[in-house]
Amino acid sequence: QKEVEQNSGPLSVPEGAIASLNCTYSDRGSQSFFWYRQYSGKSPELIMFIYSNGDKEDGRFTAQLNKASQYVSLLIRDSQPSDSATYLCAVGGSQGNLIFGKGTKLSVKP
Amino acid sequence: ETGVTQSPTHLIKTRGQQVTLRCSSQSGHNTVSWYQQALGQGPQFIFQYYREEENGRGNFPPRFSGLQFPNYSSELNVNALELDDSALYLCASRRTGGVLTYEQYFGPGTRLTVT
Repeated sequence: QKEVEQNSGPLSVPEGAIASLNCTYSDRGSQSFFWYRQYSGKSPELIMFIYSNGDKEDGRFTAQLNKASQYVSLLIRDSQPSDSATYLCAVGGSQGNLIFGKGTKLSVKP
Repeated sequence: ETGVTQSPTHLIKTRGQQVTLRCSSQSGHNTVSWYQQALGQGPQFIFQYYREEENGRGNFPPRFSGLQFPNYSSELNVNALELDDSALYLCASRRTGGVLTYEQYFGPGTRLTVT
């Protein structure tokens, strides 16, 4: 059973700080990795994807992938209260599906 | 907005009834997947349709079935509803073939409550 693990949180950071969200996965053969943001009562929104080892930056977001450690993370710089949401880590499955973790709830305090 | 639409937004059904949920994929996307998200959980893969055929399925019983139409829109049907079927049902679309993409974009979801 392929699994994706995330700390459920809540993770609380002050406004302007860096929020660090972490995810581990069990299938060493996984090739594609995604971060979704989900506001309460809404559907998941794709914010980052990464396929190669290393860092990928997009605005205030940086995704980091370490396939040897089976670890993927999301950094949010200059965190804003509007970043408060649940962040879902997902790994691409063999059927083209996504395998999700349970999500980490992030709270950014003004 | 992803361009993926779902209907209805909310639905209340009684245990034992049947329900049909609908999804229109984003323009240019030919593959539709359905996910079930229970409260406090991540989405769970139900099945996927490509070229009007199911080509992937998660750990869901046969009473969960679907269709894909020539315009790539899709339906999810659930028979003999159970209380545990209460969840947010999400449709996601992506493009398969040509330049390979793995990214999936979700619609707004249908909130199903079974009483």
